Amino acid sequence: DAGVIQSPRHEVTEMGQEVTLRCKPISGHNSLFWYRQTMMRGLELLIYFNNNVPIDDSGMPEDRFSAKMPNASFSTLKIQPSEPRDSAVYFCADRDSLTDTQYFGPGTRLTVL
Amino acid sequence: GQQLNQSPQSMFIQEGEDVSMNCTSSSIFNTWLWYKQDPGEGPVLLIALYKAGELTSNGRLTAQFGITRKDSFLNISASIPSDVGIYFCAGREYGNKLVFGAGTILRVKS
Repeated sequence: DAGVIQSPRHEVTEMGQEVTLRCKPISGHNSLFWYRQTMMRGLELLIYFNNNVPIDDSGMPEDRFSAKMPNASFSTLKIQPSEPRDSAVYFCADRDSLTDTQYFGPGTRLTVL
Repeated sequence: GQQLNQSPQSMFIQEGEDVSMNCTSSSIFNTWLWYKQDPGEGPVLLIALYKAGELTSNGRLTAQFGITRKDSFLNISASIPSDVGIYFCAGREYGNKLVFGAGTILRVKS
């Protein structure tokens, strides 16, 4: 298995543009998490899904952020409109319920100019 | 909310030395996880702990789940240059959410 796959790996955009980050979890892992990592705040959980259903989105910073999981093999995190303070590394992770462990993707480094 | 204190924040060590880092929590956790993050990559799971008192090894790494269930430590024996990176502890209290420590930056003098 290729592990958790994220795309793109790097994204540079201008303020006001829409940004869409994509994630493909490991097959059979039924929980999916979106995190944001910055120097100032470390790793922050934005939202997580169980069986494609959003369970906790209390970490989503504001309405400009939205996430979807239309099926078990795909999720998106969208920022519209983007702002410079959204610049960070965004990680997708999934959970192996058998071992109670989370596996991270390689991340998307977002820069908003 | 839940608080995880991870220490030390950073450390320089001499190659070959042993390393120790730990995390303490304000809450009781059911699972402790230790991750390592290399530059430009996502965190990679090193060790998972499930029971109070559990001691688990993975090569030169050893981690323990504290008896109180509010702490955990990670030891690295005989450090080598590729041990450089950021080490994170994470705990699960209930549900599927993890709480992460702020990380320990490990730098090795070769």
